Amino acid sequence: AQSVAQPEDQVNVAEGNPLTVKCTYSVSGNPYLFWYVQYPNRGLQFLLKYITGDNLVKGSYGFEAEFNKSQTSFHLKKPSALVSDSALYFCAVRDGYSGGGADGLTFGKGTHLIIQP
Amino acid sequence: ETGVTQSPTHLIKTRGQQVTLRCSSQSGHNTVSWYQQALGQGPQFIFQYYREEENGRGNFPPRFSGLQFPNYSSELNVNALELDDSALYLCASSFAWAGTGELFFGEGSRLTVL
Repeated sequence: AQSVAQPEDQVNVAEGNPLTVKCTYSVSGNPYLFWYVQYPNRGLQFLLKYITGDNLVKGSYGFEAEFNKSQTSFHLKKPSALVSDSALYFCAVRDGYSGGGADGLTFGKGTHLIIQP
Repeated sequence: ETGVTQSPTHLIKTRGQQVTLRCSSQSGHNTVSWYQQALGQGPQFIFQYYREEENGRGNFPPRFSGLQFPNYSSELNVNALELDDSALYLCASSFAWAGTGELFFGEGSRLTVL
């Protein structure tokens, strides 16, 4: 079974400061990791993914994430936060050994990111 | 915008009724999956369809069923609605199997069961 933990329900950051949204995961095989963002009453938008290769992954809107295999973590980061980054962020994982993604993605409960002006 | 469209956007049903939700995939995508997002929770995988056949299913009872059509559009059917079925239902499309690629989500259908 696979699982994702997002330990913080809410993260508050002042505009212009760096931000980090934490995520840890558990899978049997190789992890395929994703971050999605959700704005109020909207669907999920893809931000970035880690499949293999460089542990630092760059994505949309200036976001990046660092894969740490020993700590089973995939934290989302941004060097300088914007008020418009305020939203609900979800980390998701899939076991790379499952055939064709047929097991679906397992999502965390989400972290509310609030950027204060 | 992802190009994945869902209908209806909102609907209200009563316990015991049946509901059908619809999804049009993004052009070029042949795989569709459905997720249930309860209030304050992350999305939970219901099932996935590839080439009109269900090829993966999460921990949902058989009263949750689906279809995928030759044009890759899809339906989610829920029978004998329960109060706990109240949620945002998200459709996601992708090319081939989800594999290593990201899913493209629609805006969702919000179902309220009274």
